[in-house]
Amino acid sequence: GAGVSQSPSNKVTEKGKDVELRCDPISGHTALYWYRQSLGQGLEFLIYFQGNSAPDKSGLPSDRFSAERTGGSVSTLTIQRTQQEDSAVYLCASSLTGTGKYTGELFFGEGSRLTVL
Amino acid sequence: AQTVTQSQPEMSVQEAETVTLSCTYDTSESDYYLFWYKQPPSRQMILVIRQEAYKQQNATENRFSVNFQKAAKSFSLKISDSQLGDAAMYFCAYRSARSGGSNYKLTFGKGTLLTVNP
Repeated sequence: GAGVSQSPSNKVTEKGKDVELRCDPISGHTALYWYRQSLGQGLEFLIYFQGNSAPDKSGLPSDRFSAERTGGSVSTLTIQRTQQEDSAVYLCASSLTGTGKYTGELFFGEGSRLTVL
Repeated sequence: AQTVTQSQPEMSVQEAETVTLSCTYDTSESDYYLFWYKQPPSRQMILVIRQEAYKQQNATENRFSVNFQKAAKSFSLKISDSQLGDAAMYFCAYRSARSGGSNYKLTFGKGTLLTVNP
């Protein structure tokens, strides 16, 4: 697609429910990133994919968070047994490559706002 | 680990005036990239300007320019002739120039909310 697409745009869920957030990166971008943006905070790195593998999952806050990427394209971030502190905007970004001496620019989607009641 | 600090949570500027947003960072590396991203209410992060650390010349993009002071680890953004559409949250970000490992990701500051007054 022309840009990074994320869905849903907004999600309201009840505490304890599972949620899935989807990211469709720019076509041809091999690297994909998930960030979390809480109110008044900067962007917190969650996970990075190069192709279908995730070399760095160090930012996932707990084992309730997981992510996968299939076909080197679409990625899904899953949050199990949601808690109120999970409420945030989840941003996805992609880039041409995550390795090598490149310019480093990330292209972002509009994010998915998650509200846990 | 690298850190990025934006000491101004909020700034305001009159339309057509100039404003400077501050950013400092901490790193032990000599080669890296620095970025300013803009996030309007639509939430989508948009790249404003990029600077490679090995370049001494400050980057410029139309009304946007940076003052990159490598020794001081400072990377400020100057917006000239401010427009109403410049109102947004601005994030400073750092990325290592090394490949592999955790070097590819961007580390962001907490942002500066810019208000432009008519």
